[in-house]
Amino acid sequence: DAKTTQPTSMDCAEGRAANLPCNHSTISGNEYVYWYRQIHSQGPQYIIHGLKNNETNEMASLIITEDRKSSTLILPHATLRDTAVYYCIVRRPRKGGATNKLIFGTGTLLAVQP
Amino acid sequence: DAGVIQSPRHEVTEMGQEVTLRCKPISGHDYLFWYRQTMMRGLELLIYFNNNVPIDDSGMPEDRFSAKMPNASFSTLKIQPSEPRDSAVYFCASSSIADTQYFGPGTRLTVL
Repeated sequence: DAKTTQPTSMDCAEGRAANLPCNHSTISGNEYVYWYRQIHSQGPQYIIHGLKNNETNEMASLIITEDRKSSTLILPHATLRDTAVYYCIVRRPRKGGATNKLIFGTGTLLAVQP
Repeated sequence: DAGVIQSPRHEVTEMGQEVTLRCKPISGHDYLFWYRQTMMRGLELLIYFNNNVPIDDSGMPEDRFSAKMPNASFSTLKIQPSEPRDSAVYFCASSSIADTQYFGPGTRLTVL
C-alpha cells in the first residue's frame, strides 16, 4: 500500500473549518484514501473514504486532487470534541476473501482551541 | 447497535502469567481484527479472521501470542506467558463486506 505523509500537528479555532492535508504521491489507480481518527483513550473511528471523487458525509468532507497524489479532510465546524489524531491511509480494495490491511502511520494531532 | 465490545477494559498482571483478552464483534460482520498500540510502534495489526478462520497472522509477534474465533460472535487473544514488553493497548475491530473497520474501546494491558 502507498505511504502517506501528514503534518505532525495542527491547531484550529473552535467553530472554524479544519483542513487536514495528506500526501500520497505513490498511490495506485485502484487504491482508496481512508481517514480515521483516534480521540484520546478511545479506539480509532472511521470518518470517510474515497477513490477519486470528492466525498461528504455527516462528519466531514474529503477532497482528492485530480492527480490523486494528495487529499484534504475538512471538518467544516470544528469543536473541542474533534481534538484527536487523524490518520490518512491508502488502501487497496479487497480481493476475494482477503481484505487489505489498514496500515496506520503517525497521523496528525489536531488540537481545537477554544 | 452496541458496537464492538472488548473485555476487560484494563488488565494488570505479573510477568509469566497468562492473559486472555476478549472481543465481541458487531453482529453480521464477518471480519475480525486484533491490533496492538504502543508509543514506540504505533498501531499495528496482529491477526485477522474471515468467517471465523484466521487469514493473516503475520503480525503476531511470537508464539506466546495466540488468537481464536470459535464462533461469529466471540474471539480471544491470549498471551502466555506474558512479559513486560507486551504492555500496550489492544484493540479489536470488525468489518462487513463494505470493508470499513469499526474499532472497540480497547484493553489496556500492563504486565509488571
